[in-house]
Amino acid sequence: LAKTTQPISMDSYEGQEVNITCSHNNIATNDYITWYQQFPSQGPRFIIQGYKTKVTNEVASLFIPADRKSSTLSLPRVSLSDTAVYYCLVGDNQAGTALIFGKGTTLSVSS
Amino acid sequence: GAVVSQHPSWVICKSGTSVKIECRSLDFQATTMFWYRQFPKQSLMLMATSNEGSKATYEQGVEKDKFLINHASLTLSTLTVTSAHPEDSSFYICSAKGANQPQHFGDGTRLSIL
Repeated sequence: LAKTTQPISMDSYEGQEVNITCSHNNIATNDYITWYQQFPSQGPRFIIQGYKTKVTNEVASLFIPADRKSSTLSLPRVSLSDTAVYYCLVGDNQAGTALIFGKGTTLSVSS
Repeated sequence: GAVVSQHPSWVICKSGTSVKIECRSLDFQATTMFWYRQFPKQSLMLMATSNEGSKATYEQGVEKDKFLINHASLTLSTLTVTSAHPEDSSFYICSAKGANQPQHFGDGTRLSIL
């Protein structure tokens, strides 16, 4: 079973900021939170990873509260090309255990 | 960033044929590689986990004699679908993981069995 829960779908318009929240109530001490983006007929693409507090890179920010039971992926000023499925996953970076995918969030961006 | 190459990207073959899919980590050593399968409009389903030089660990319901996995080096894993039938048609995705790194995924292989 997937360890995370996300909204099934979200809609937005170009230029808006999009925040996708993920619940992971049973996150383990050694687990990291990782977000991936997937376009049709492509493999998932790594977006961002964090353990606690806030992480920012050139495409997104990841906010993690102190209890780590949830996280929020923030996409600034989305464009049409950000329409995709976004997956939130938790797992141990050190262990050789696979990430188990949930249903993900389908983000639709309109003009 | 870490790059995982998967080949071929698209295969069409007749029922009964065996098909081999390659997965390579191009710029890092993958201590563990994973194989997933994805049906239309669904999420990725883990098929098996393989560590270099060891036998793969298959998820429940995945036939190990049907889906042969070889992980002979730290940069290459192969999945062979033996005697493929139409119900094996799917999108197969590999991923690779180095030490203390997140998983990185290939671009998938679309397998169509006629």
